[in-house]
Amino acid sequence: QSVLTQPPSVSAAPGQKVTISCSGSTSNIGSKDVSWYQQVPGTVPRLVIYENEKRPSGVPDRFSGSKSGTSATLGIAGLQAGDEANYYCLTWDNRRGGLVFGGGTTLTV
Amino acid sequence: QLQLLESGPGLVRPSESLSLTCSVSGASIISDDYFWGWVRQAPGKGLQWIGLINHSGTKYDDPSFRGRLTLSVDISNNQVSLSLSSVTAADTARYYCARHRRLVDFFDPWGQGTFVTVSS
Repeated sequence: QSVLTQPPSVSAAPGQKVTISCSGSTSNIGSKDVSWYQQVPGTVPRLVIYENEKRPSGVPDRFSGSKSGTSATLGIAGLQAGDEANYYCLTWDNRRGGLVFGGGTTLTV
Repeated sequence: QLQLLESGPGLVRPSESLSLTCSVSGASIISDDYFWGWVRQAPGKGLQWIGLINHSGTKYDDPSFRGRLTLSVDISNNQVSLSLSSVTAADTARYYCARHRRLVDFFDPWGQGTFVTVSS
């Protein structure tokens, strides 16, 4: 049971937009930055959002991130088949004194 | 270009120790901005953070590994290492090494990972 809660799965049609939530508390998301990772099964996790809303070079602007209070959200617009993957949020938890991942969300397009 | 390469035995016996090395190329592990982290993923499961270490030996680790985990750094070889003792089948996983940006807390880049099976 992770301290960060993500929905197990989300789905949407190609071309639509989907959002994936990551819910935490004041000891983690409420006071620290959130990053998001895309992992296509069988491949290495890939950073898609850091510092809540910033996109690394090479990540399309269809990917967006936001944070409000103790929750963070990853948005993916203009869905493509290649976006099908597992998505994980990550942040620091002050109470635990370390990093925590969300349980992961499987996106089906 | 920064690259990380994990190495270690693919098979470890139960109750023994698992030792992995992450070789870093393309940049020095000496940096005040970065730590070096370990993350694992059991088959069919999600990502689990294991620990962080920097060039001066400052460490953080997940409470679930305390007592079994040793993180170390070898500056001369630009490597970081992980040792996990008293392993069980539950430690069977792919182990990733990744660079961690301190204060803003993200991992990038990641190594390809190395799969470790715990079995007799």
